[in-house]
Amino acid sequence: AQSVTQPDIHITVSEGASLELRCNYSYGATPYLFWYVQSPGQGLQLLLKYFSGDTLVQGIKGFEAEFKRSQSSFNLRKPSVHWSDAAEYFCAVGAFGNEKLTFGTGTRLTIIP
Amino acid sequence: EAGVAQSPRYKIIEKRQSVAFWCNPISGHATLYWYQQILGQGPKLLIQFQNNGVVDDSQLPKDRFSAERLKGVDSTLKIQPAKLEDSAVYLCASSSRTTGGETQYFGPGTRLLVL
Repeated sequence: AQSVTQPDIHITVSEGASLELRCNYSYGATPYLFWYVQSPGQGLQLLLKYFSGDTLVQGIKGFEAEFKRSQSSFNLRKPSVHWSDAAEYFCAVGAFGNEKLTFGTGTRLTIIP
Repeated sequence: EAGVAQSPRYKIIEKRQSVAFWCNPISGHATLYWYQQILGQGPKLLIQFQNNGVVDDSQLPKDRFSAERLKGVDSTLKIQPAKLEDSAVYLCASSSRTTGGETQYFGPGTRLLVL
């Protein structure tokens, strides 16, 4: 069975500082990996996804993520955060051949001035 | 392109009452999903439809939850009778295929509070 671990429940970052959100997955084959963002009272919006190929994936809003098979990780990064990045971030893993996603428990990001 | 629509946005009911949620996916999307998101947790898949057939309902509490997708477009999720632990946000999502890796587009969700 596939699973996702997001070890950081809550992260606080100063505006303009860099950001890294951690994600570790468990899956027996090559996974599909996703990062979604959820603002308060909103649905989930896709930031980026990894299927195959280049292990560094670029997404929307200046985010990127790197797939590291040896570490079973797919960490999300942004070089300089903006106050509007404050939200809940979810990592998810999908399986080849179907669309079922397994989500992590999320990381809440707070931005301080 | 219109996104995934859900209604109502909020619902408050008492335990043992019934409730229904409605979802209209993105036009042309064959696959529709219902997720349950309990406060402080990630979304959990309840049921997945491909057109009007069920692909996966392994995590749907079938003694109280039911869902249908008539004509392969709109879908309704029902809870009868509701329990306190059903308080959650119910998210609907859709995607255009089922071969894996396709982006799921989420609606704004229905926030349910069971008293």
